[in-house]
Amino acid sequence: AQKITQTQPGMFVQEKEAVTLDCTYDTSDPSYGLFWYKQPSSGEMIFLIYQGSYDQQNATEGRYSLNFQKARKSANLVISASQLGDSAMYFCAMREGVGGTSYGKLTFGQGTILTVHP
Amino acid sequence: ETGVTQTPRHLVMGMTNKKSLKCEQHLGHNAMYWYKQSAKKPLELMFVYSLEERVENNSVPSRFSPECPNSSHLFLHLHTLQPEDSALYLCASSQDPGQFNEKLFFGSGTQLSVL
Repeated sequence: AQKITQTQPGMFVQEKEAVTLDCTYDTSDPSYGLFWYKQPSSGEMIFLIYQGSYDQQNATEGRYSLNFQKARKSANLVISASQLGDSAMYFCAMREGVGGTSYGKLTFGQGTILTVHP
Repeated sequence: ETGVTQTPRHLVMGMTNKKSLKCEQHLGHNAMYWYKQSAKKPLELMFVYSLEERVENNSVPSRFSPECPNSSHLFLHLHTLQPEDSALYLCASSQDPGQFNEKLFFGSGTQLSVL
């Protein structure tokens, strides 16, 4: 079974509008972390936001926020006030386990291509 | 200068060639990683080095051979590859791989085509 599922292969949004990118995850580990990365056409993966499984509040980083619904095992990324430069591939990723056993073992989803229209 | 630099950006090689991918991080991090990104597949972790010691080998075929001479440099030596090895190979680094909320810093990758 896939550990990270991103059901939207592609999304379109108008500039200055908000957009939500979906991510659901599957784990039986009580300790885990969820990440979102952005990959522009240049290829570099850029870290956007992190949510820990024990965090009480949803994470926010500037125009990015993470809608974390633990019971539903979802961690959707919300981008507010979209900009043309937001057009890219977006990946949801998860790290399970505690401390030294995880060693950067991020499990990635398939990604969602976001296109921002002017 | 970006934090993680990968060379070359593009590489085309035959199945009998031997080539190497290079990664250099300028962030003072202690851990380095190789990921493979194939078309229509999620990123796959290949190798992890922490303080120059390999701590993870994710069932990668022996035709891929990593080398980490120091904490700033990471190589991936390639020999007798197959066409299905064509992919984007991403290098990443992090400060402390033992931290749960550790975020990885990635390079721009090497796009490899095996003919």
